[in-house]
Amino acid sequence: GNSVTQMEGPVTLSEEAFLTINCTYTATGYPSLFWYVQYPGEGLQLLLKATKADDKGSNKGFEATYRKETTSFHLEKGSVQVSDSAVYFCALSDHLGSGTYKYIFGTGTRLKVLA
Amino acid sequence: GAGVSQTPSNKVTEKGKYVELRCDPISGHTALYWYRQSLGQGPEFLIYFQGTGAADDSGLPNDRFFAVRPEGSVSTLKIQRTERGDSAVYLCASSPTDNPGNTIYFGEGSWLTVV
Repeated sequence: GNSVTQMEGPVTLSEEAFLTINCTYTATGYPSLFWYVQYPGEGLQLLLKATKADDKGSNKGFEATYRKETTSFHLEKGSVQVSDSAVYFCALSDHLGSGTYKYIFGTGTRLKVLA
Repeated sequence: GAGVSQTPSNKVTEKGKYVELRCDPISGHTALYWYRQSLGQGPEFLIYFQGTGAADDSGLPNDRFFAVRPEGSVSTLKIQRTERGDSAVYLCASSPTDNPGNTIYFGEGSWLTVV
């Protein structure tokens, strides 16, 4: 079945460092791809998304490009801040037919940014 | 309300007891999802409703778990004869359903502890 694989954490970086969190997926068809973020003590919220190949999603300085040829959707940020410390989840939407969709999540990558 | 609302936010129950968890989705969202998140893991799909019917219940772990959405809005996840392994955060999410690129919006979750 369809699945999402993301790099294990935790990832620890100094403030202003460059961030990459890898995500690859397995899917039949053409899913939409998402990054969700979970800040400490909060619920999951959408960070960015891309709905077709070569689309780039971006938000709050984070970017990810939908790469169909490598089945990847890696998350990047040029300069991280302490406030970016959170758990990041890669996800895809899986078409069930008849206009219905199921969302499949990776296991999450914890990011800790040190001042 | 403006977001997905889940009650109770915390529930401690004894092994063997029956538990109900409630979800009130965003108004107008016809798709409703239940996920379970264990510590250090990503959201694990349980069941998906399109309107009043369960479009996919393949994630329910066994017949102790059941969910309903009788009027196509509020949903209740029911767990019978709870076990310690059922302890987790139960997440509800909702989404419009006409597009696979739709964002899925999560509630804060219901923390269930079985002692």
